[in-house]
Parts: sequence; structure tokens; C-alpha cells
Amino acid sequence: DQQVKQNSPSLSVQEGRISILNCDYTNSMFDYFLWYKKYPAEGPTFLISISSIKDKNEDGRFTVFLNKSAKHLSLHIVPSQPGDSAVYFCAASMNRDDKIIFGKGTRLHILP
Amino acid sequence: DTEVTQTPKHLVMGMTNKKSLKCEQHMGHRAMYWYKQKAKKPPELMFVYSYEKLSINESVPSRFSPECPNSSLLNLHLHALQPEDSALYLCASSQVATEAFFGQGTRLTVV
Repeated sequence: DQQVKQNSPSLSVQEGRISILNCDYTNSMFDYFLWYKKYPAEGPTFLISISSIKDKNEDGRFTVFLNKSAKHLSLHIVPSQPGDSAVYFCAASMNRDDKIIFGKGTRLHILP
Repeated sequence: DTEVTQTPKHLVMGMTNKKSLKCEQHMGHRAMYWYKQKAKKPPELMFVYSYEKLSINESVPSRFSPECPNSSLLNLHLHALQPEDSALYLCASSQVATEAFFGQGTRLTVV
């Protein structure tokens, strides 16, 4: 049973436009949410996180929004750049010191 | 140095072989992890070491045997693996679990 779901296996976005990656979760005990980015032949790299006490966290071009009542989070990338083409994993944990549960990932293609 | 280094990058082994995967970090992180990732699947946690002691074993078969010789090194000893164990094996380290730094992984093929 998947606790972290990314229902879109892939997404294509024009360069310069906004990329929105979505994630749903089922476990209401999750307290901390993260996004990781993965290029082929590399390990995942941490991108941005959000604690359940917040509904938004911004870091440069990346913003994560959390809707606890809907058990939904999203990652916005604006403007999208060619180097953003990668697989993005949504992940969650019950606290900052607990193991991370990953979603299946969404492959983002930035089109020229 | 914010790197987690894994060796080898690729490994092909027979079902009767014994091999080891190695992982090294010099960030002073207290925890180190092994993850397994199959194609088009998310990384799945296998083991966690905290302060050089095994703290989590996610019911991994005994043909996978982790070892943490010191705070910078983590090994995964492999013996009598099956073809379905072929996957990308990722090592990670962290000071807090949710801020893990991952290595590039070892692509393992069992023939």
C-alpha cells in the first residue's frame, strides 16, 4: 500500500513556464515532507522540504505548498530551465529523525 | 566535502559469488543508510546505522549483510543473490534522517 503517491509518471513543460509536480499522501501521521531530484546515473539530491506546521516554503525558483486537509503537496518550479529535466521524488516522514518514505517519482521534461 | 562515495559504480555477479558494496562519507554524519531502487520504483530503505550501530533492518533477507566498520564507512556484503536482486543500491548519510545525502549508487546485475 503506497503511502506517498505521485500519480503522474511524467510531465512536459515549456522552458520558462511553470512546472507543477503533485504528490498525495495517505498517512496523517506524516509530519515532514521533502522533494528530491534525481538525474540518470546519480543518486537523489535533496531539493526542498516543508514541515506540517507550514503551508508554504520557498527557495529560489522552487516553492512547495502543503494542504494538510487534502493530504496533498505540490512543487512549483518557475521559471523552468533545461537543467530541471530530471525525476522528482516526493517523500515524507513522521518526524525529522524518522525514515523517509518515497513516492514513485515524476519525470519532468523541459522543452526548448 | 558534501559527497557520499560509492564503489563500484557497476557490478555483475553470479548467484554463487560473494561481493561487497562500499560507501564512504566525510561529513561527520551520525547515520548511514542502504536503499534499493528497482526500475521505475522509489528507493526502498534496507538498513540504517546510527552511531555505527544497526538501528533499522527492514526485514531484508540474510543474503544481504551490512557492516559499519567506522563512522565514515558502510559496507553491504552480498552472498547467494538472486536475479531479482538486480537493482540500483544507494547509500546515504545524514545528521537528521530527512536531510540525507545520497551517493551515485551501485548498479548491480545478478546473472
